[in-house]
Amino acid sequence: DTEVTQTPKHLVMGMTNKKSLKCEQHMGHRAMYWYKQKAKKPPELMFVYSYEKLSINESVPSRFSPECPNSSLLNLHLHALQPEDSALYLCASSQGNNRGRISNQPQHFGDGTRLSIL
Amino acid sequence: QKEVEQDPGPLSVPEGAIVSLNCTYSNSAFQYFMWYRQYSRKGPELLMYTYSSGNKEDGRFTAQVDKSSKYISLFIRDSQPSDSATYLCAMSASAYSGGSNYKLTFGKGTLLTVNP
Repeated sequence: DTEVTQTPKHLVMGMTNKKSLKCEQHMGHRAMYWYKQKAKKPPELMFVYSYEKLSINESVPSRFSPECPNSSLLNLHLHALQPEDSALYLCASSQGNNRGRISNQPQHFGDGTRLSIL
Repeated sequence: QKEVEQDPGPLSVPEGAIVSLNCTYSNSAFQYFMWYRQYSRKGPELLMYTYSSGNKEDGRFTAQVDKSSKYISLFIRDSQPSDSATYLCAMSASAYSGGSNYKLTFGKGTLLTVNP
């Protein structure tokens, strides 16, 4: 079992639905990340939160909206997604960089939410 | 030339074999090197984390970094069927370097099968 927990494990939604992905870690990490992974490809960075503030947005479409309610939780709100958004969405965490920059500490991943858009 | 090159395999070996997995890279700013193991339908699991050059050993796994050749390796001794997975190398530069070096740059992953 990983120390980064993601729910739900699977999600099927229509293009007009609104849903949220959730991520929780209890390792005391202050940097949290969202990645998207397509089949047989490496993960692609989407967002980085450092000390609960959004520090990096990799030009992700606005239909993806991240939120960090506290240092242990990370959400990804989804709205009006497209079929090409179907993928495995991974959350990761690491020790933070208190200067607000991305951390070089090793990232620990959850098992992801497998998202299918109909 | 891609920033990180990794042979996607597939690589098939008999149980007990020594496995060698490799990545080459072009960005001389990379200083942090990682190996992740990803089982089917699971997230990447951190196996090894190395800063700068040198070797690191953890049980049956040994990571080597040769910055002069821009080449990193992961060796698995006495391979087991449970080692069957995709192995991803990943690397990044200092958080204080410029451009997009802050990101983890992954190789494409090597699919390994260890046959009983």
